Amino acid sequence: AQKITQTQPGMFVQEKEAVTLDCTYDTSDPSYGLFWYKQPSSGEMIFLIYQGSYDQQNATEGRYSLNFQKARKSANLVISASQLGDSAMYFCAMRGDNNNDMRFGAGTRLTVKP
Amino acid sequence: NAGVTQTPKFRILKIGQSMTLQCAQDMNHNYMYWYRQDPGMGLKLIYYSVGAGITDKGEVPNGYNVSRSTTEDFPLRLELAAPSQTSVYFCASTTNREYTEAFFGQGTRLTVV
Repeated sequence: AQKITQTQPGMFVQEKEAVTLDCTYDTSDPSYGLFWYKQPSSGEMIFLIYQGSYDQQNATEGRYSLNFQKARKSANLVISASQLGDSAMYFCAMRGDNNNDMRFGAGTRLTVKP
Repeated sequence: NAGVTQTPKFRILKIGQSMTLQCAQDMNHNYMYWYRQDPGMGLKLIYYSVGAGITDKGEVPNGYNVSRSTTEDFPLRLELAAPSQTSVYFCASTTNREYTEAFFGQGTRLTVV
């Protein structure tokens, strides 16, 4: 079975600074996709960024980038120039080519300080 | 284009009652998922489906049942509700490619008293 681990229950960052949220994974699938979602206090799940296991370059999407290190099985989310609106829960998730389920990590609560 | 629609948004059940959480998507997605999220926690997979007529258990299936008679609908049935099933339930859907994100419904907040 696939497993996603997020070891940081909570993180603090100063406004305008960058922050890295950690995610490690384990899978036996030869190809897979890694995702990050944001969940603000209102509760909805907002898709942020995707990284494919065969992608040569790290994914970027505006202020979000994914630091993908395949050998280490890590897919850390980097948020640059943090804004107050970035305060939320962040979830890492994975879906494999053979495993059809989509599993999530426990999440990291990010708080941006003014 | 509504995306993923969940009904109801809120529900209070008494212990031992049963109910069905509805989920419908209009994106012609084959894959659909049901998750529960307990307060301050991550999402746990309850059941998922890779197409009409095909369902499979996730991490926490006990106390729940699903069916998938059409591509669009994926209802979640709770039989004999228990306080431990108090949670927020999310339905999601995606295509059958590992590089496409899942689209989520707005969630159903269920309280069992």
